Amino acid sequence: EVQLVESGGGLVQPGGSLRLSCAASGFTFSSYSMNWVRQAPGKGLEWVSYISSSSSTIYYADSVKGRFTISRDNAKNSLYLQMNSLRDEDTAVYYCARVRLKIAAIDYWGQGTLVTVSS
Amino acid sequence: DIQMTQSPSSLSASVGDRVTITCRASQSISSYLNWYQQKPGKAPKLLIYAASSLQSGVPSRFSGSGSGTDFTLTISSLQPEDFATYYCQQSYSTRIFTFGPGTKVDIK
Repeated sequence: EVQLVESGGGLVQPGGSLRLSCAASGFTFSSYSMNWVRQAPGKGLEWVSYISSSSSTIYYADSVKGRFTISRDNAKNSLYLQMNSLRDEDTAVYYCARVRLKIAAIDYWGQGTLVTVSS
Repeated sequence: DIQMTQSPSSLSASVGDRVTITCRASQSISSYLNWYQQKPGKAPKLLIYAASSLQSGVPSRFSGSGSGTDFTLTISSLQPEDFATYYCQQSYSTRIFTFGPGTKVDIK
């Protein structure tokens, strides 16, 4: 069974940093591209970042470019999101999501971890 | 950047109703359009990929159609478990997954 479990969320002050982790199991993690997608309270889904299976290709949404860094450790079956210079508008549930490139869709999602940026 | 719009933003319907949700892309995206369902407090779930292909395990009352810039998600007979928010998402920009703003389906 495919499982994606996020951790690392919490309360952080504006300007602060946080590192999210996603532990993957039930599939060959090193063969799949991954995304981070977020959802602000009461709002819609916003794609945040993409990383290819080998980490050779990385993309960011304009809203986080220069502040967030996506990475992965295939030996540990883990995906990460380093978030720096956090702003109030980064408050959201952050989802780790598996990309199935063959169908160009996100086929599995984690349960999400809440990041709250507030003083 | 490709922008996605959805209409309506919300709708009220009854069990058994036929429901149609529309999604429009700011430029042609061929058939690179996916639909997701999200229930409160839960992660989204893939329903339809490539505009009209049903994801494994999804009931056949869900269907998708369209190509180019205009797409439709149809629920042929709304069931109690279908009350949720539905999002379209383009994957034409292969590694940049833009979502539509969502359509909330609630009980009339």
